[in-house]
Amino acid sequence: EPEVTQTPSHQVTQMGQEVILRCVPISNHLYFYWYRQILGQKVEFLVSFYNNEISEKSEIFDDQFSVERPDGSNFTLKIRSTKLEDSAMYFCASSGGRLAGGTGELFFGEGSRLTVL
Amino acid sequence: RKEVEQDPGPFNVPEGATVAFNCTYSNSASQSFFWYRQDCRKEPKLLMSVYSSGNEDGRFTAQLNRASQYISLLIRDSKLSDSATYLCVVNRRSSNTGKLIFGQGTTLQVKP
Repeated sequence: EPEVTQTPSHQVTQMGQEVILRCVPISNHLYFYWYRQILGQKVEFLVSFYNNEISEKSEIFDDQFSVERPDGSNFTLKIRSTKLEDSAMYFCASSGGRLAGGTGELFFGEGSRLTVL
Repeated sequence: RKEVEQDPGPFNVPEGATVAFNCTYSNSASQSFFWYRQDCRKEPKLLMSVYSSGNEDGRFTAQLNRASQYISLLIRDSKLSDSATYLCVVNRRSSNTGKLIFGQGTTLQVKP
């Protein structure tokens, strides 16, 4: 079964360092997303990406965050200067859009746990 | 007020029990509704979409009441493997932006 894959599974970094989280969405999907979940809290939307540009972003997704689809397969989330409060599980997701019949039928990766010290 | 509200539980039930979870949402313009399941420290996985007419998938039944802005999930004949956190999820739009709004989740523990 096709799946969304994410690397690394866990990253520990010092405050102020740059971090790049990588995702390989399902190959025929058109929409890509990042969500995050701080430990013990709800899953929160960060950003959606379609047709090589950001289609929507939340207030969490400030200038410290950026996303890129550098080639046909990878989708990355960069945090320029990490803060303690960036510690969370970051989930990548993808959907096929209308081709999958799917508003909201997102497929999530297993997540990248980021710990900022 | 939270956009999607759920009773966090935990709900502790014996195997074979029937259990129901409720969820309310505040944005009346919300267009689509889902239940996701999340196991401890894992990714959310779609359990089922929720339709106005109500829908059933095996032991799981979901209901939507748009007038009351209320969504429910009923699990019959609970199994140990049903132990998880159940996330009520709402999409504000009918387009495929996928901007899902998650509730905090309701934790279910099924005991032998």
